[in-house]
Amino acid sequence: QVQLVQSGSELKKPGASVKVSCKASGYTFTSYGMHWVRQAPGQGLEWMGWINSDTWNPTYAQGFTGRFVFSLDTSVSTAYLQINSLKAEDTAVYYCARDKAGYWGQGTLVTVSS
Amino acid sequence: QAVVTQEPSLTVSPGGTVTLTCGSSTGPVTSGHWPYWLQQKPGQAPRTLIYDTYNRHSWTPARFSGSLLGGKAALTLSGAQPEDEADYYCLLSYSSGARPWFFGGGTKLTVL
Repeated sequence: QVQLVQSGSELKKPGASVKVSCKASGYTFTSYGMHWVRQAPGQGLEWMGWINSDTWNPTYAQGFTGRFVFSLDTSVSTAYLQINSLKAEDTAVYYCARDKAGYWGQGTLVTVSS
Repeated sequence: QAVVTQEPSLTVSPGGTVTLTCGSSTGPVTSGHWPYWLQQKPGQAPRTLIYDTYNRHSWTPARFSGSLLGGKAALTLSGAQPEDEADYYCLLSYSSGARPWFFGGGTKLTVL
C-alpha cells in the first residue's frame, strides 16, 4: 500500500533553515509527482507547489518562491522541502501529498521561535 | 488565480443526508478539474475521501459519494455518523502541465 512518511517536528530559530523529508513506499517513486501543502495554525490548506519526480522540475506557487526548495533523492524514494531564512510566520504543519489519487503524509510541524 | 468556494459550515442530523459543494471563480467545475474531497479531523492530517470527481479510496465509507452538480463538484454524505464531524476541503486542479492545486476554504461539518 502507498505510504508517505514524513520526518519529525522541528523547532528552529528565525533565520535558520529546515529540511523536511517525505519517504514514499508502495509505488514507483518516479511515476508520480509530489506536492507540498502548508497549514498554518487554525488555518486551511495552502498549496506550495510540486516537483515532477520524473523530470525533477519543481513548480512553486505564488508566495513560495525564493526561500523554498523542493528536491528529490530517487535512490531512497524521498522528497524534500527545504525552507531557508525561516520566519515566525513559517510556523505551520507541512504536508507532502502524492500527485494522482491524493495520498498524504502525516505532516511535519515546523515551529520558528527565538 | 482561481478562487474555490465552499460552504463555511453545515449541520446534519445523525442518519441524515447533506451535500457539500465546491465552486470555482473561473466557471463551471468539470471532471477536467479532477475534483478531490479531503476530510480532516482535529490534530490529524487530511485524508482523501474522493478523487477525480467520484472515485473512493479503500478507506472511504460507502456513505460518501462524489459528483458534479449544477456546475460544482459535490460531496454527498448519506446516513451521517457522529464520526463524520470534521472539516472537509475541496481541491481542484486547473492545468495538466503546471498542475497547480487550489483548495477551497473548507466546510466545517457538524453532526448534531
